[in-house]
Amino acid sequence: AQTVTQSQPEMSVQEAETVTLSCTYDTSESDYYLFWYKQPPSRQMILVIRQEAYKQQNATENRFSVNFQKAAKSFSLKISDSQLGDAAMYFCAYRSTFGNEKLTFGTGTRLTIIP
Amino acid sequence: EAGVAQSPRYKIIEKRQSVAFWCNPISGHATLYWYQQILGQGPKLLIQFQNNGVVDDSQLPKDRFSAERLKGVDSTLKIQPAKLEDSAVYLCASSWTSGSNEQFFGPGTRLTVL
Repeated sequence: AQTVTQSQPEMSVQEAETVTLSCTYDTSESDYYLFWYKQPPSRQMILVIRQEAYKQQNATENRFSVNFQKAAKSFSLKISDSQLGDAAMYFCAYRSTFGNEKLTFGTGTRLTIIP
Repeated sequence: EAGVAQSPRYKIIEKRQSVAFWCNPISGHATLYWYQQILGQGPKLLIQFQNNGVVDDSQLPKDRFSAERLKGVDSTLKIQPAKLEDSAVYLCASSWTSGSNEQFFGPGTRLTVL
């Protein structure tokens, strides 16, 4: 079974600075998807960014980018120019390309933005 | 486009009581998921439907939890009887198909069992 580990329960960053959230995963599969989801306080979870394992190029979405290291099974999220609206729980998730393709989530990192 | 709707948003019950949660997915989404998110943990899949058929319910405590999606649209998750450890946020999500790259989540129902 796949597992996802987020070793940073909490992180904080000054507004306008850059922060990196860590995620590692364990799998024996060669093809899969990785995701970062954002869950603001009392609001619904939304997709931030996704990465296909077969793509070597790191995904980027505006101020959000990932550092995908397949051999190391590492998938970190970098948030540039942090904004107050970035404050949330961030979950790393894994999805296989086989079977029912369910999402397996990590335990999350709570990000605080310091004005 | 309307998002995933869930009700109620909050529910407080005593142990051994019954409770039901409702979810209406995004129109046209064939796949519907129910997740349980215990405080301090990531969401855990309870059950996945493809249209009105169950794809995966391997982590659903079937002695007390049940779910249905009768017409392949909205879904109900029931707990009977509830235990203290069932206190959690219950998230509903939907996607176009089970192979879609994005699941859309509802706001969740926060259940407190006293």
